[in-house]
Amino acid sequence: GENVEQHPSTLSVQEGDSAVIKCTYSDSASNYFPWYKQELGKGPQLIIDIRSNVGEKKDQRIAVTLNKTAKHFSLHITETQPEDSAVYFCAATYTGANSKLTFGKGITLSVRP
Amino acid sequence: DTGVSQDPRHKITKRGQNVTFRCDPISEHNRLYWYRQTLGQGPEFLTYFQNEAQLEKSRLLSDRFSAERPKGSFSTLEIQRTEQGDSAMYLCASSLPLRGSRPYEQYFGPGTRLTVT
Repeated sequence: GENVEQHPSTLSVQEGDSAVIKCTYSDSASNYFPWYKQELGKGPQLIIDIRSNVGEKKDQRIAVTLNKTAKHFSLHITETQPEDSAVYFCAATYTGANSKLTFGKGITLSVRP
Repeated sequence: DTGVSQDPRHKITKRGQNVTFRCDPISEHNRLYWYRQTLGQGPEFLTYFQNEAQLEKSRLLSDRFSAERPKGSFSTLEIQRTEQGDSAMYLCASSLPLRGSRPYEQYFGPGTRLTVT
């Protein structure tokens, strides 16, 4: 089955700086890669996703890049703000079957004001 | 539409008791997923429904767990004879709207936090 690894496990940045979170996946059949933000006591919130036929996708301050050859994808957050502080999860799935998501262990992002 | 809802938000039970959780998906989403999340980990897949049919169950779902989705709307997850190892956040997600351009996005509810004492 799919295995998703996420690193680093914690990241601290100064407000206004950029943050980059990287993930790797193992199953070359995976073709959909969402990113979720989870705040304390809440469920994961979908913030951006990318499909395997696209190399990069951007939505305001966040962007995701995908390298299918290397089987890794990254989340980029620019101009970080204190409200970006949360746990971020990457996930992967193959949408041709049940689309069950396999998640990484998450990274805790702290934005220092 | 207010998104995926789950009830209760918190449940404390004694070991050996049965518990049942409810999930109401986004209306017209015909896929419904259950995940379990333990502290410091990402969610792990438990089971999923397409309409009322339960199409896959994870190895994590022991015989003490049962899930239903009558009429393809809300779903329930029951845990019988709870054990301390069942303590976790149980998350529900829905996806695949009947109409729309984003069929793969899974939207999660707030979760039910279960504590078994």
